[in-house]
Amino acid sequence: TQLLEQSPQFLSIQEGENLTVYCNSSSVFSSLQWYRQEPGEGPVLLVTVVTGGEVKKLKRLTFQFGDARKDSSLHITAAQPGDTGLYLCAGPGGAAGNKLTFGGGTRVLVKP
Amino acid sequence: DTAVSQTPKYLVTQMGNDKSIKCEQNLGHDTMYWYKQDSKKFLKIMFSYNNKELIINETVPNRFSPKSPDKAHLNLHINSLELGDSAVYFCASSQGARNTIYFGEGSWLTVV
Repeated sequence: TQLLEQSPQFLSIQEGENLTVYCNSSSVFSSLQWYRQEPGEGPVLLVTVVTGGEVKKLKRLTFQFGDARKDSSLHITAAQPGDTGLYLCAGPGGAAGNKLTFGGGTRVLVKP
Repeated sequence: DTAVSQTPKYLVTQMGNDKSIKCEQNLGHDTMYWYKQDSKKFLKIMFSYNNKELIINETVPNRFSPKSPDKAHLNLHINSLELGDSAVYFCASSQGARNTIYFGEGSWLTVV
């Protein structure tokens, strides 16, 4: 079973600060995805990273896929209250790679 | 129009009852899923259907029975509800099993 561990589990910061969320595994993933889930809603895909060492930027969000494709990070610059939510990483699992396996999530609270 | 819609959004019921959650997607996708998110926000796949055929069936009690009358619908019926079934159930869909998954807003099930 391919497991994804996220850290920290919870992060509370002030508006304007930076934060980094980590997603680690002992297994190699062909790709990793990051989702954000807001209270009362379902997860929404933010980005997919597929190449080892890849860096993708989405406005103030920077996503990195580790060189060995076993880990990923999400960095938010100058966080805003609208960034509050549950951040989930996920990767394809199962023998056929057709089962999306999620990490435990990092709950981010950005206080104004 | 909501891409993936599920009903009801909230359901409070007594132990031992039987209940159903319905899901419909208007994205034209061929693959649909049921995920369960527990109180610790851990999101885990339960079932996956491709063109009305069951392709993933995780270790889920047989009290849970999915039914897919057509490609656009995947319902979840739960018999003899137990306290531990309390969770948020997310329906989702994708085109093929390896493409972006779109989640519904979730159905909050509370068993009392």
